[in-house]
Amino acid sequence: AQSVTQPDIHITVSEGASLELRCNYSYGATPYLFWYVQSPGQGLQLLLKYFSGDTLVQGIKGFEAEFKRSQSSFNLRKPSVHWSDAAEYFCAVVALGAGNNRKLIWGLGTSLAVNP
Amino acid sequence: DTEVTQTPKHLVMGMTNKKSLKCEQHMGHRAMYWYKQKAKKPPELMFVYSYEKLSINESVPSRFSPECPNSSLLNLHLHALQPEDSALYLCASSRPGEPQHFGDGTRLSIL
Repeated sequence: AQSVTQPDIHITVSEGASLELRCNYSYGATPYLFWYVQSPGQGLQLLLKYFSGDTLVQGIKGFEAEFKRSQSSFNLRKPSVHWSDAAEYFCAVVALGAGNNRKLIWGLGTSLAVNP
Repeated sequence: DTEVTQTPKHLVMGMTNKKSLKCEQHMGHRAMYWYKQKAKKPPELMFVYSYEKLSINESVPSRFSPECPNSSLLNLHLHALQPEDSALYLCASSRPGEPQHFGDGTRLSIL
């Protein structure tokens, strides 16, 4: 069965430090992978996506992610974190369900806190 | 792309009330979704509409009734909800095979 694992429930970094959020997936075929961010009281905003092609994907707000098929990983990175990056981060994969419907399989999320 | 708009932003209702949540998008997306999200948890898919037809119902209780009047609108009718239904309800839309765009949600509290 398809699944997404985000090993880190909570991460705290200092402002200006680098960041890496981990995501591992389980999926038989080539996955469609996403990172979403959710600030308190808000909906989910797409940071970046991987469908195919270049394994290093650039997103919004200075984020990037690297798809590594051999490790079944799609880790999110940012070289220098800003206080406004404090939020909940979700990794997700598109999976085929019954009736050929596609739906998102979500990780449990990583809560990011940023110290001044 | 523009955005997905959800109204109301907050809703407090009693267990015997009937209310509706509304979602609107003008991006030409033909897939629309309802999710339920509890605090610090990922969204849980409730319903998917594809070309205005219900294509996925994730075994949601009948006290939640979705409606898709046209390609831009999605409603969620609520009746006789339970306290455990208190949550953030998110609407999303997408083109086939493309990422979903989310609204900011309706924060629902059941008294």
